Amino acid sequence: QSVLTQPPSASGTPGQRVTISCSGSSSNIGRKNVYWYQQLPGTAPKLLIYRSNERPSGVPDRFSGSKSGTSASLAISGLRSEDEADYFCVVWDDSLSGPVFGGGTKLSV
Amino acid sequence: QVQNVQSGAEVKKPGASLRVSCEASGYELTSYAMHWVRQAPGERLEWMGCISGDDGNTKYSQKFQDRVIMTRDTSANTAYMELSSLRSEDTAVYYCARDRGYSSSWGFSAWFDPWGPGTLVTVS
Repeated sequence: QSVLTQPPSASGTPGQRVTISCSGSSSNIGRKNVYWYQQLPGTAPKLLIYRSNERPSGVPDRFSGSKSGTSASLAISGLRSEDEADYFCVVWDDSLSGPVFGGGTKLSV
Repeated sequence: QVQNVQSGAEVKKPGASLRVSCEASGYELTSYAMHWVRQAPGERLEWMGCISGDDGNTKYSQKFQDRVIMTRDTSANTAYMELSSLRSEDTAVYYCARDRGYSSSWGFSAWFDPWGPGTLVTVS
């Protein structure tokens, strides 16, 4: 069982907006930055959002992150077929003294 | 460009040891830390531990503490992960990932960028 809780799946049609949630606790999301990664089938994960709401260069502004209290969200607007992937959140947990991973959300477009 | 170059796929017998390397290309390992994360078939990602590039300080997941050793060779700009007493459940893709948020003052973070391509390890 993951320390961070994500819905196992999400779906949308091209052009729609979807949101993926990540629920944690006061020892992780409540006090640390959240990071979001995208993993396309058969490939290594790729950084999508850092410091809860910042985008690396090269990541389209269709992707955005937010955090409130002990929860975080990843929003994808203008869905495209190439967005079909697994998305997971990661946060450092002070109680466990290590990073904790969400279980991942499989997005279907 | 900035990337991690990992060693090739391995097939191991139960009880054997494994060593995976991760060469930092396009950046100095001493300025960052390196994490090791694995993914068994159809399973979620699992953090194994990390090592700081400057002083070699390590932090291991409790699950692997007794079986894993992480080292780095600054002259080769390479990090290594050794896992002993392998069993079938260790069959997985092993990734290294640079910790962009690491500093000697603040310690390790969950900011992994970039990831290596992964090393497939089969224990059979």
